[in-house]
Amino acid sequence: SQQGEEDPQALSIQEGENATMNCSYKTSINNLQWYRQNSGRGLVHLILIRSNEREKHSGRLRVTLDTSKKSSSLLITASRAADTASYFCATSNSPATSGTYKYIFGTGTRLKVLA
Amino acid sequence: NAGVTQTPKFRVLKTGQSMTLLCAQDMNHEYMYWYRQDPGMGLRLIHYSVGEGTTAKGEVPDGYNVSRLKKQNFLLGLESAAPSQTSVYFCASSSQYGRDGYTFGSGTRLTVV
Repeated sequence: SQQGEEDPQALSIQEGENATMNCSYKTSINNLQWYRQNSGRGLVHLILIRSNEREKHSGRLRVTLDTSKKSSSLLITASRAADTASYFCATSNSPATSGTYKYIFGTGTRLKVLA
Repeated sequence: NAGVTQTPKFRVLKTGQSMTLLCAQDMNHEYMYWYRQDPGMGLRLIHYSVGEGTTAKGEVPDGYNVSRLKKQNFLLGLESAAPSQTSVYFCASSSQYGRDGYTFGSGTRLTVV
């Protein structure tokens, strides 16, 4: 039961360009997170945006959330070769009374930054 | 500062064999999770735990069992491995409710032949 779906599935850009990835989801959420996964490694948490927030920044990362469109975007500015990785969104719509926010992950966007 | 450590990193099993994957975290996190990652499927939640002595089923629990006897450890067991369980397994932990994000281990690549 996929909740978040990233778009595009793969993206190839030149170093220095901006990379934009999108995540669409089906049901209302409590919050949404973005993760990065380098090849053969575990996922690394990048940023969390809550359902009542519209935009967050962290260094070269900018995340937006549009709950009316059920979508989020991750923008990486001035990309570097080291940004080459897969990027996943994860959404939670678990009620707080359940005791945990269970996150459902999308299938990811594979980003390749060419030097 | 190890974070989340998974052992082993690689394993090949024959169909019908059993094994246990170990996850250990040193961040005093209450919540721990086991995911599997398959090509084109993203990560799918197998089981999770909200505290020592508690476990709950996730999205794809069949064929797996878990135990959380100590707060820092979360074990994933396969009693009778099947080729469909060939996958990369990730353990993660988080503080209460996971609202600040998960910390993932580096994964266990399991092949069942």
